[in-house]
Amino acid sequence: AQKVTQAQTEISVVEKEDVTLDCVYETRDTTYYLFWYKQPPSGELVFLIRRNSFDEQNEISGRYSWNFQKSTSSFNFTITASQVVDSAVYFCALTTSYNTDKLIFGTGTRLQVFP
Amino acid sequence: DTGVSQDPRHKITKRGQNVTFRCDPISEHNRLYWYRQTLGQGPEFLTYFQNEAQLEKSRLLSDRFSAERPKGSFSTLEIQRTEQGDSAMYLCASSHGMVEAFFGQGTRLTVV
Repeated sequence: AQKVTQAQTEISVVEKEDVTLDCVYETRDTTYYLFWYKQPPSGELVFLIRRNSFDEQNEISGRYSWNFQKSTSSFNFTITASQVVDSAVYFCALTTSYNTDKLIFGTGTRLQVFP
Repeated sequence: DTGVSQDPRHKITKRGQNVTFRCDPISEHNRLYWYRQTLGQGPEFLTYFQNEAQLEKSRLLSDRFSAERPKGSFSTLEIQRTEQGDSAMYLCASSHGMVEAFFGQGTRLTVV
């Protein structure tokens, strides 16, 4: 069975602080993809990143960085120097199906960045 | 706007009524998905189309739910005899192959 766990329900930080959102996944498949999505109050899920199981290189995109560790089945997301506009619910997701690519989401982490 | 479009954005209906939602995917995308999201939870997969063929349905999709994608373009999701437990955000997404799915803004259904 596949599962994604986001243990942090809600995180509050003050602007300019760094914050890390945790994601732990479970799958028996050797080939899989991991995703992060952002859901602002408007409701639309905004794609942030996709990683495949064969690429463990960490990635940095501006203030965002991702740490993928197969040994601990984790795919954590760090926002450096957080801003108020980063306030949203962040979802980690997994797909292992070549046929459908259906996403299995975690329960999300609500990030509140205060000025 | 060339993103995924969903209509309506909000729907309030009385228990027992039928409702239909529409999703217009990004035009070149052959895959279309429906998800349901309840408060405080992540989206849950409901069903998937590749072009006009419905290839997978979740066990969450009871026989009161039906989805179509005629001609492989827009899709509709119909819920018959709505129940209060159907209240949720219904999200549509589209993709082209094994790449990221783009989501619409969703239709929020409230059954009273």
